[in-house]
Amino acid sequence: EAGVTQFPSHSVIEKGQTVTLRCDPISGHDNLYWYRRVMGKEIKFLLHFVKESKQDESGMPNNRFLAERTGGTYSTLKVQPAELEDSGVYFCASSQPFTGPEGYTFGSGTRLTVV
Amino acid sequence: AQTVTQSQPEMSVQEAETVTLSCTYDTSESNYYLFWYKQPPSRQMILVIRQEAYKQQNATENRFSVNFQKAAKSFSLKISDSQLGDTAMYFCAFMKLGGAGSYQLTFGKGTKLSVIP
Repeated sequence: EAGVTQFPSHSVIEKGQTVTLRCDPISGHDNLYWYRRVMGKEIKFLLHFVKESKQDESGMPNNRFLAERTGGTYSTLKVQPAELEDSGVYFCASSQPFTGPEGYTFGSGTRLTVV
Repeated sequence: AQTVTQSQPEMSVQEAETVTLSCTYDTSESNYYLFWYKQPPSRQMILVIRQEAYKQQNATENRFSVNFQKAAKSFSLKISDSQLGDTAMYFCAFMKLGGAGSYQLTFGKGTKLSVIP
């Protein structure tokens, strides 16, 4: 079974540019989560999809962040325009319907550096 | 809101020895789960062990066990017979059950554990 795939693994962009991160969950996993870890701080929840619908987006920091999940398959997280404080590691996780974090499978993360 | 505190940014342990990682949390919830996740260098995060708050018995998974003190809101992880493959970042995490924000994980800052040969 393929795991959760995130790409790119690393991205370095200049302040003001746009970056799109992608997450491919495990096939059949309706739940998809985005988390972010800013260096030296806690990993923070960003949002939760159930299929193509946003179940909870309470953790999205501001309107420069846009998440989508086309057709309930892969998800993208776009940052436009990027700011220095957006630097960090962005994690994606997926799980089967009606399972909590015990059923999460995490991706390896995308390390975003804004310079 | 919940908070999770890991007071040890880095720790080291000799191979085959035992090490305990600390975690405290703050919540007003009565039903919740607690987790320890492990992230080896450049690899994905995986679940090490979980504890349901309503269970008094401490969870154990092979060489990994927890000391769950609900009244003190403490959830430490003990790794016995440490192995080189245990070298990783360890994250303590909280999840409440029911209501808004269910299934969200609240993480601590992590403890970087190095196992020394």
